[in-house]
Amino acid sequence: GAVVSQHPSRVICKSGTSVKIECRSLDFQATTMFWYRQFPKKSLMLMATSNEGSKATYEQGVEKDKFLINHASLTLSTLTVTSAHPEDSSFYICSARRGGGGDTEAFFGQGTRLTVV
Amino acid sequence: GENVEQHPSTLSVQEGDSAVIKCTYSDSASNYFPWYKQELGKGPQLIIDIRSNVGEKKDQRIAVTLNKTAKHFSLHITETQPEDSAVYFCAATVPYNQGGKLIFGQGTELSVKP
Repeated sequence: GAVVSQHPSRVICKSGTSVKIECRSLDFQATTMFWYRQFPKKSLMLMATSNEGSKATYEQGVEKDKFLINHASLTLSTLTVTSAHPEDSSFYICSARRGGGGDTEAFFGQGTRLTVV
Repeated sequence: GENVEQHPSTLSVQEGDSAVIKCTYSDSASNYFPWYKQELGKGPQLIIDIRSNVGEKKDQRIAVTLNKTAKHFSLHITETQPEDSAVYFCAATVPYNQGGKLIFGQGTELSVKP
């Protein structure tokens, strides 16, 4: 299957600092990428949809000023957690769709374990 | 919006037995239904998917069935092996003009006992 690479896999940061997570589609172009958050033993919660060359669409309840998303190219989207606090500690996962249609495969990155101390 | 319900939340089977996980969805416009396997600390891995114009799809020990009228779809794993132990998620795709995003079920923790 297609490869989506997410980096870093783990990060520990101090409260008040910002952290950037990268998501790359390695062997296909992704016009749309998705960012999810997952709590222990829970399902994936969609945070936002990232569209190349335009502003991200955030789900209800997700603070766009705290979770900055940039999709500067067809193979790279980034999520920046700004002024991180312990409650932002979580598993963040990105996903990229191979094509533009709603019925195309979505592939996931390895996830990033963020711990804010 | 779309809502996906998944059952059971946990499933324990003996090695060699079959496992069945069921999902229902609410939006009749959804047209793509993937299944993902997630191992601890890793991202979800696509294992099989089905589109709305197909009723059944099989890939070796894994099969998925879709009943559009009833709005439910199921994952079937035959001859289970210990390495099948993981959390499985079903998902449904909201139509593209609504963002094309995947809505996930709550997950099923499958345990295959040797």
